[in-house]
Amino acid sequence: EPEVTQTPSHQVTQMGQEVILRCVPISNHLYFYWYRQILGQKVEFLVSFYNNEISEKSEIFDDQFSVERPDGSNFTLKIRSTKLEDSAMYFCASSEAFYEQFFGPGTRLTVL
Amino acid sequence: DQQVKQNSPSLSVQEGRISILNCDYTNSMFDYFLWYKKYPAEGPTFLISISSIKDKNEDGRFTVFLNKSAKHLSLHIVPSQPGDSAVYFCAARDGSNYQLIWGAGTKLIIKP
Repeated sequence: EPEVTQTPSHQVTQMGQEVILRCVPISNHLYFYWYRQILGQKVEFLVSFYNNEISEKSEIFDDQFSVERPDGSNFTLKIRSTKLEDSAMYFCASSEAFYEQFFGPGTRLTVL
Repeated sequence: DQQVKQNSPSLSVQEGRISILNCDYTNSMFDYFLWYKKYPAEGPTFLISISSIKDKNEDGRFTVFLNKSAKHLSLHIVPSQPGDSAVYFCAARDGSNYQLIWGAGTKLIIKP
């Protein structure tokens, strides 16, 4: 069964460093998303991406964040200058349309 | 501003009995509702969904009920099995921008 994959599973970085989280969505899906879940808190929407551009973004998704689909398979989330409060699980998801979204296993980001 | 509320942080149910997870929402623009299940260290897994034009959707042991007038939905699992122990998230799609808004989750524990 096709699935969303994410790498790395765990990323540790120093505050102020740039990180790139990678995702491979399900191949025939057209809509891509990033979410995050800070430990003990709810899942929060960050951004949705369709047709090579951002379709929606939340207040969390400020200028420090960017997304890219550099080729036909990868979907990346870049955090330019990480802060302590960026520590969270980051989930990538994809969908065929605006219905069920399928999630990857997540990347745990730890900012020291 | 919690648009999607899951008021029970946890629920304990005997194996074989019915598990009922509840979710309330406030935004009348929500047009599609989803339930996700999440195990520790994994991404959310889609379980079942319901469109706002329906009041019930059933898939095997899982049934979702929607009461639009009360802005309430519930997930019934019957019979409950040990593998159902997980955190269950209710999510609602905003029809104006297709964002998914998530509840805080309910931890379901199935006792043998």
